[in-house]
Amino acid sequence: QITLKESGPTLVKPTETLTLTCTFSGFLLSSDEVGVAWIRQPPLKALEWLALIYWDDERHYSPALKSRLSITKDTSKNQVVLTMTNMDPEDTASYFCARVTYSRSLWFDTWGQGVLVAVSS
Amino acid sequence: SSELTQDPAVSVALGQTARITCQGDSLRYYYASWYQQKAGQAPVLVIYDKNSRPSGIPDRFSGSISGDTATLTITGAQAEDEADYYCNSRDSSANDPHVLFGGGTKLTVL
Repeated sequence: QITLKESGPTLVKPTETLTLTCTFSGFLLSSDEVGVAWIRQPPLKALEWLALIYWDDERHYSPALKSRLSITKDTSKNQVVLTMTNMDPEDTASYFCARVTYSRSLWFDTWGQGVLVAVSS
Repeated sequence: SSELTQDPAVSVALGQTARITCQGDSLRYYYASWYQQKAGQAPVLVIYDKNSRPSGIPDRFSGSISGDTATLTITGAQAEDEADYYCNSRDSSANDPHVLFGGGTKLTVL
Protein backbone atom coordinates (compact mmCIF):
# COMPACT_ATOMS: atom_id res chain seq x y z
CA GLN A 1 0.00 0.00 0.00
CA ILE A 2 1.35 3.40 -0.99
CA THR A 3 0.90 6.24 1.49
CA LEU A 4 2.21 9.78 1.77
CA LYS A 5 1.83 12.17 4.68
CA GLU A 6 2.73 15.83 4.94
CA SER A 7 4.05 17.44 8.10
CA GLY A 8 5.13 20.91 9.04
CA PRO A 9 3.99 24.12 10.71
CA THR A 10 0.38 25.20 10.41
CA LEU A 11 1.24 28.86 10.97
CA VAL A 12 4.18 30.89 9.71
CA LYS A 13 4.88 34.61 9.79
CA PRO A 14 5.40 36.76 6.70
CA THR A 15 9.00 36.68 5.40
CA GLU A 16 9.71 33.39 7.20
CA THR A 17 10.81 30.20 5.47
CA LEU A 18 8.37 27.29 5.32
CA THR A 19 9.75 23.75 5.56
CA LEU A 20 7.40 20.85 4.80
CA THR A 21 8.22 17.15 4.96
CA CYS A 22 6.53 14.39 2.99
CA THR A 23 7.02 10.96 4.54
CA PHE A 24 6.05 8.11 2.26
CA SER A 25 5.85 4.33 2.26
CA GLY A 26 5.13 1.57 -0.21
CA PHE A 27 7.65 2.60 -2.84
CA LEU A 28 11.31 3.49 -3.19
CA LEU A 29 12.41 6.87 -4.46
CA SER A 30 15.91 5.52 -5.05
CA SER A 31 15.19 2.83 -7.58
CA ASP A 32 11.53 2.76 -8.68
CA GLU A 33 10.99 5.03 -11.66
CA VAL A 34 8.76 7.47 -9.86
CA GLY A 35 8.90 10.93 -8.34
CA VAL A 36 7.33 12.99 -5.58
CA ALA A 37 5.71 16.35 -6.14
CA TRP A 38 4.32 19.18 -4.06
CA ILE A 39 1.03 20.82 -5.01
CA ARG A 40 -0.83 23.53 -3.13
CA GLN A 41 -4.40 24.80 -3.04
CA PRO A 42 -5.41 28.15 -1.56
CA PRO A 43 -8.81 28.09 0.15
CA LEU A 44 -11.58 27.70 -2.46
CA LYS A 45 -9.10 27.95 -5.32
CA ALA A 46 -7.52 25.60 -7.84
CA LEU A 47 -4.59 23.23 -7.51
CA GLU A 48 -1.16 24.68 -8.25
CA TRP A 49 1.89 22.52 -8.92
CA LEU A 50 5.02 23.68 -7.06
CA ALA A 51 7.90 21.25 -7.50
CA LEU A 52 8.83 17.67 -8.18
CA ILE A 53 11.84 15.43 -7.69
CA TYR A 54 12.44 12.19 -9.55
CA TRP A 55 14.07 8.99 -8.35
CA ASP A 56 17.30 9.98 -10.11
CA ASP A 57 17.37 13.36 -8.29
CA GLU A 58 16.21 15.35 -11.34
CA ARG A 59 14.25 18.36 -10.05
CA HIS A 60 11.72 20.73 -11.57
CA TYR A 61 10.06 23.86 -10.22
CA SER A 62 7.10 26.04 -11.05
CA PRO A 63 8.54 28.92 -13.07
CA ALA A 64 6.45 31.40 -11.08
CA LEU A 65 7.95 30.28 -7.75
CA LYS A 66 11.31 28.86 -8.76
CA SER A 67 13.35 31.49 -6.95
CA ARG A 68 11.67 30.67 -3.64
CA LEU A 69 11.52 26.86 -3.74
CA SER A 70 13.87 23.99 -3.01
CA ILE A 71 13.03 20.28 -3.09
CA THR A 72 15.27 17.54 -1.75
CA LYS A 73 14.95 13.86 -0.94
CA ASP A 74 16.31 11.63 1.80
CA THR A 75 15.93 8.09 0.53
CA SER A 76 17.17 6.59 3.79
CA LYS A 77 14.21 8.16 5.60
CA ASN A 78 11.70 7.90 2.72
CA GLN A 79 11.18 11.64 2.88
CA VAL A 80 10.95 14.57 0.50
CA VAL A 81 11.38 18.08 1.87
CA LEU A 82 10.09 21.31 0.35
CA THR A 83 11.32 24.70 1.48
CA MET A 84 9.68 27.95 0.44
CA THR A 85 11.33 31.21 1.38
CA ASN A 86 9.88 34.67 2.04
CA MET A 87 6.37 33.50 2.88
CA ASP A 88 3.48 35.88 2.21
CA PRO A 89 -0.19 35.78 3.27
CA GLU A 90 -1.01 34.84 -0.34
CA ASP A 91 0.86 31.58 0.28
CA THR A 92 -1.84 30.49 2.71
CA ALA A 93 -2.98 27.15 1.31
CA SER A 94 -3.29 23.43 1.81
CA TYR A 95 -0.03 21.83 0.74
CA PHE A 96 -0.15 18.29 -0.68
CA CYS A 97 2.57 15.87 -1.63
CA ALA A 98 1.88 13.21 -4.23
CA ARG A 99 3.66 10.35 -5.94
CA VAL A 100 4.46 10.99 -9.59
CA THR A 101 4.28 8.26 -12.17
CA TYR A 102 5.23 8.93 -15.75
CA SER A 103 5.67 7.60 -19.22
CA ARG A 104 5.57 10.21 -21.95
CA SER A 105 2.82 11.82 -19.87
CA LEU A 106 2.82 12.33 -16.12
CA TRP A 107 0.27 11.83 -13.37
CA PHE A 108 -0.09 11.98 -9.60
CA ASP A 109 -1.32 8.56 -8.60
CA THR A 110 -1.40 8.83 -4.82
CA TRP A 111 -1.82 11.93 -2.67
CA GLY A 112 -1.24 12.76 0.95
CA GLN A 113 -4.04 14.21 3.06
CA GLY A 114 -2.52 17.69 2.90
CA VAL A 115 -1.51 20.21 5.54
CA LEU A 116 -3.10 23.64 5.85
CA VAL A 117 -0.51 26.38 6.27
CA ALA A 118 -1.60 29.88 7.25
CA VAL A 119 0.69 32.87 6.80
CA SER A 120 -0.07 35.61 9.27
CA SER A 121 1.69 37.90 11.67
CA SER B 1 3.87 29.23 -20.51
CA SER B 2 0.83 27.17 -21.54
CA GLU B 3 -2.45 26.95 -19.74
CA LEU B 4 -5.16 24.35 -19.33
CA THR B 5 -8.66 25.77 -19.50
CA GLN B 6 -11.71 24.16 -17.90
CA ASP B 7 -15.29 25.33 -17.66
CA PRO B 8 -15.91 26.48 -14.07
CA ALA B 9 -19.12 24.51 -13.65
CA VAL B 10 -21.04 21.65 -15.26
CA SER B 11 -24.33 20.16 -14.18
CA VAL B 12 -25.84 16.80 -15.05
CA ALA B 13 -29.06 15.02 -14.21
CA LEU B 14 -28.74 11.90 -12.11
CA GLY B 15 -28.01 8.92 -14.36
CA GLN B 16 -27.15 11.03 -17.39
CA THR B 17 -23.78 11.60 -19.03
CA ALA B 18 -21.48 14.39 -17.88
CA ARG B 19 -18.65 15.70 -20.03
CA ILE B 20 -15.92 17.86 -18.56
CA THR B 21 -13.40 19.37 -20.95
CA CYS B 22 -9.83 20.59 -20.63
CA GLN B 23 -8.29 22.63 -23.43
CA GLY B 24 -4.66 23.53 -23.98
CA ASP B 25 -1.88 23.36 -26.52
CA SER B 26 0.11 20.93 -24.36
CA LEU B 27 -2.62 18.34 -24.92
CA ARG B 28 -1.50 18.02 -28.53
CA TYR B 29 1.69 16.42 -27.17
CA TYR B 30 0.83 14.92 -23.78
CA TYR B 31 -2.17 13.07 -22.41
CA ALA B 32 -4.25 14.63 -19.68
CA SER B 33 -4.85 13.02 -16.33
CA TRP B 34 -7.96 13.75 -14.27
CA TYR B 35 -8.55 14.13 -10.54
CA GLN B 36 -11.70 14.15 -8.45
CA GLN B 37 -11.71 16.28 -5.31
CA LYS B 38 -14.56 16.23 -2.84
CA ALA B 39 -14.98 18.95 -0.26
CA GLY B 40 -12.32 18.86 2.43
CA GLN B 41 -10.49 15.91 0.86
CA ALA B 42 -7.33 15.37 -1.14
CA PRO B 43 -7.64 14.86 -4.90
CA VAL B 44 -8.01 11.32 -6.23
CA LEU B 45 -6.70 10.20 -9.62
CA VAL B 46 -9.56 8.94 -11.81
CA ILE B 47 -8.03 8.84 -15.33
CA TYR B 48 -4.42 8.77 -16.48
CA ASP B 49 -2.42 8.18 -19.65
CA LYS B 50 -5.35 9.14 -21.89
CA ASN B 51 -7.92 6.56 -20.75
CA SER B 52 -6.59 4.32 -17.99
CA ARG B 53 -8.38 3.98 -14.67
CA PRO B 54 -6.66 3.25 -11.36
CA SER B 55 -7.88 0.29 -9.39
CA GLY B 56 -11.13 1.10 -7.63
CA ILE B 57 -12.33 3.78 -10.03
CA PRO B 58 -15.69 2.86 -11.56
CA ASP B 59 -15.80 2.19 -15.27
CA ARG B 60 -18.35 4.97 -15.75
CA PHE B 61 -15.31 7.29 -15.80
CA SER B 62 -13.50 7.51 -19.14
CA GLY B 63 -11.14 9.86 -20.93
CA SER B 64 -10.63 10.93 -24.52
CA ILE B 65 -8.67 13.44 -26.55
CA SER B 66 -9.36 15.36 -29.73
CA GLY B 67 -6.81 17.88 -30.93
CA ASP B 68 -6.04 20.19 -28.02
CA THR B 69 -9.04 19.19 -25.93
CA ALA B 70 -9.28 16.34 -23.43
CA THR B 71 -12.65 15.19 -22.14
CA LEU B 72 -13.56 13.36 -18.97
CA THR B 73 -16.85 11.53 -19.46
CA ILE B 74 -18.97 10.19 -16.64
CA THR B 75 -21.56 7.84 -18.09
CA GLY B 76 -24.51 7.46 -15.77
CA ALA B 77 -23.49 10.07 -13.22
CA GLN B 78 -24.19 9.22 -9.58
CA ALA B 79 -24.81 11.51 -6.65
CA GLU B 80 -21.40 10.61 -5.23
CA ASP B 81 -19.73 11.96 -8.39
CA GLU B 82 -20.56 15.52 -7.34
CA ALA B 83 -17.13 17.06 -6.82
CA ASP B 84 -14.49 19.32 -8.31
CA TYR B 85 -12.55 17.85 -11.22
CA TYR B 86 -9.08 18.93 -12.30
CA CYS B 87 -7.04 18.04 -15.36
CA ASN B 88 -3.28 18.13 -15.60
CA SER B 89 -0.56 17.48 -18.15
CA ARG B 90 3.05 18.18 -18.81
CA ASP B 91 3.74 21.63 -20.23
CA SER B 92 5.13 21.47 -23.74
CA SER B 93 6.00 25.15 -24.02
CA ALA B 94 8.93 25.58 -21.69
CA ASN B 95 12.55 24.51 -22.12
CA ASP B 96 12.42 23.23 -18.55
CA PRO B 97 9.48 20.81 -18.73
CA HIS B 98 6.99 21.31 -15.98
CA VAL B 99 3.44 20.58 -14.97
CA LEU B 100 0.12 22.29 -15.59
CA PHE B 101 -3.21 22.07 -13.80
CA GLY B 102 -6.52 23.28 -15.13
CA GLY B 103 -8.62 25.67 -13.09
CA GLY B 104 -11.09 22.99 -12.10
CA THR B 105 -14.72 22.21 -12.91
CA LYS B 106 -17.40 21.93 -10.26
CA LEU B 107 -19.74 19.10 -11.19
CA THR B 108 -23.26 19.27 -9.82
CA VAL B 109 -25.48 16.20 -10.05
CA LEU B 110 -29.12 17.27 -10.12
